[in-house]
Amino acid sequence: DTVLTQSPALAVSLGQRVTISCRASKSVSTYMHWYQQKSGQQPKLLIYSASNLESGVPSRFSGSGSGTDFTLTIDPVEADDIANYYCQQSNELPFTFGSGTKLEIK
Amino acid sequence: QIQLVQSGPELKKPGESVKISCKASGYTFTDYAMHWVKQAPGKGLKWMGWINTYTGKPTYADDFKGRFVFSLEASASTANLQISNLKNEDTATYFCARENWSVMDAWGQGASVTVSS
Repeated sequence: DTVLTQSPALAVSLGQRVTISCRASKSVSTYMHWYQQKSGQQPKLLIYSASNLESGVPSRFSGSGSGTDFTLTIDPVEADDIANYYCQQSNELPFTFGSGTKLEIK
Repeated sequence: QIQLVQSGPELKKPGESVKISCKASGYTFTDYAMHWVKQAPGKGLKWMGWINTYTGKPTYADDFKGRFVFSLEASASTANLQISNLKNEDTATYFCARENWSVMDAWGQGASVTVSS
């Protein structure tokens, strides 16, 4: 299985830029997607195929990477961005998720 | 608009069974696969598998083979997840999610299952 590794938590000040990383245990090409999950809600797709912004998602969100290293960037961070962020690969079955990064505001 | 509406919370005893439904609307149900994802309390997301909504063929992740069954009521645009012989560790929220070209682009609101004696 492809293991995805994320940092557990990040703290950032409002208005600043934050990058959330995701490292895959083997290449997933660009079959990497990012989801935001707010407390008590279902996950929401932000970025698909590494760098494509899902329709309706603010342009403050962007994604990059290929192979094994990927990043989700939020710039600038707003209070509404407090959430858990998950990466997920669909290069091979089983699909796998990262363990999630909790974004906290300083 | 695309919507996935899941059934309500369930409280079950160990050894019982539960069936969770996921009703789709706003698109042609059989054009998109449906995935199932588990989230235990305070934990991350775990992919359980998927079902081909055109053929009805399910595919299960290794940890979900045996007691878990994905099924369809295609005429009602509904996907179902049945869990038998419930265990305490099945306590979780279960999400259905539509797959669009290998991306889970729409999610149900989640169905909570609590297993307790």
